[in-house]
Amino acid sequence: EVQLVESGGGLVQPGGSLRLSCAASGFTFNNYWMHWVRQAPGKGLVWVSHINSDGGSTTYADSVKGRFTISRDNAKNTLYLQMNSLRAEDTAVYYCARDDSTVTQSIDYWGQGTLVTVSS
Amino acid sequence: DVVMTQSPLSLPVTLGQPASISCRSSQSLVDSYGNAYLNWFQQRPGQSPRRLIYKVSNRDSGVPDRFSGSGSGTDFTLKISRVEAEDVGVYYCMQGTHWPPWTFGQGTKVEIK
Repeated sequence: EVQLVESGGGLVQPGGSLRLSCAASGFTFNNYWMHWVRQAPGKGLVWVSHINSDGGSTTYADSVKGRFTISRDNAKNTLYLQMNSLRAEDTAVYYCARDDSTVTQSIDYWGQGTLVTVSS
Repeated sequence: DVVMTQSPLSLPVTLGQPASISCRSSQSLVDSYGNAYLNWFQQRPGQSPRRLIYKVSNRDSGVPDRFSGSGSGTDFTLKISRVEAEDVGVYYCMQGTHWPPWTFGQGTKVEIK
């Protein structure tokens, strides 16, 4: 069974930093692209970042470029999102999601999400 | 960036009746190989999203056959043939043809009348 478990969310002051983790199990992690997608309270889904299977290629939404860094440790089956210079508008539930880039070329599984609140 | 526009944004439906959600993209989602990477996700209240449909019309394993996807080019539709109580939630289309960024529609909230 595919499982994605996010952790690391919490309350942080504007300008602060936070690192999110996503522990993957139930599939061969190093075969899949991964994404972070966020959802502000009561709002829709917004794509944040993607990383390819070996970590050699990453992309970011313009709203987070230069502040967020996506990475992965395939030996630990874990995805990360380092978030710096956080702003109030970054407040959201952050989901990690698997991308079946070889067959369906689409996000197929999502974690349960971790809430990040940026507030003083 | 490709803009995805869903309509309606709110859809009250009577149990057992059909429902239809439209998703339009600002440019064609067909790639040079003839594939369109248009997906539909369901998010039930308090839950994470779940994929229902990939590549326009392919239903995921375990998804009831009352859900169907169709469309081409820039116009796509998700249909529920007979709405059940468990179908309440927000439905999102998402394109994966022209990335980055991957882009979602605003979401359509399905509720029971």
